[in-house]
Amino acid sequence: AQRVTQPEKLLSVFKGAPVELKCNYSYSGSPELFWYVQYSRQRLQLLLRHISRESIKGFTADLNKGETSFHLKKPFAQEEDSAMYYCALYGNKLVFGAGTILRVKS
Amino acid sequence: GAVVSQHPSRVICKSGTSVKIECRSLDFQATTMFWYRQFPKQSLMLMATSNEGSKATYEQGVEKDKFLINHASLTLSTLTVTSAHPEDSSFYICSASGGELTDTQYFGPGTRLTVL
Repeated sequence: AQRVTQPEKLLSVFKGAPVELKCNYSYSGSPELFWYVQYSRQRLQLLLRHISRESIKGFTADLNKGETSFHLKKPFAQEEDSAMYYCALYGNKLVFGAGTILRVKS
Repeated sequence: GAVVSQHPSRVICKSGTSVKIECRSLDFQATTMFWYRQFPKQSLMLMATSNEGSKATYEQGVEKDKFLINHASLTLSTLTVTSAHPEDSSFYICSASGGELTDTQYFGPGTRLTVL
């Protein structure tokens, strides 16, 4: 079975502070992991994928197979980062975590 | 590129009527389209996967006679909620994959269905 856990419903940080959005997964095969973001009144969009190993908008995420985690990190949060973030796993289908609301306060 | 549209964005209907939601890939050919449902303050749940020209594959617990999916072309998939009831009220989101990034899904803006 595929499962994605995002333990925090809401993460509130001040502008300039580091951000870490947690994601843990469960999957017996070799997973593909993604982070999707949904800004206010906008559609869901892909932020990054573990295969690409890239940094998008200052965000990075490293797949840790030992800890079955794919936490999303950014060293300095900006107000425009405020959004809903979903971690997702593709095994034989795309399964989403419950999502974490990130609020960046000025 | 990779834009997916949905129509309508909102629909209100009476109980017992059927509602059709369209999902279109505007600038790429979508070999596969997906339909999700999202309840308030909850995550997206996959309902079904459709490949162009073939029958949709439904997830466990999703009634295929209730949620009719047609993927007649590489740019259009439709979801018809038949004999809608208030418990079908939800946010329905489609996504599409295809083109150069075959394993990336591009999402539509969603359709808010309210059944009275």
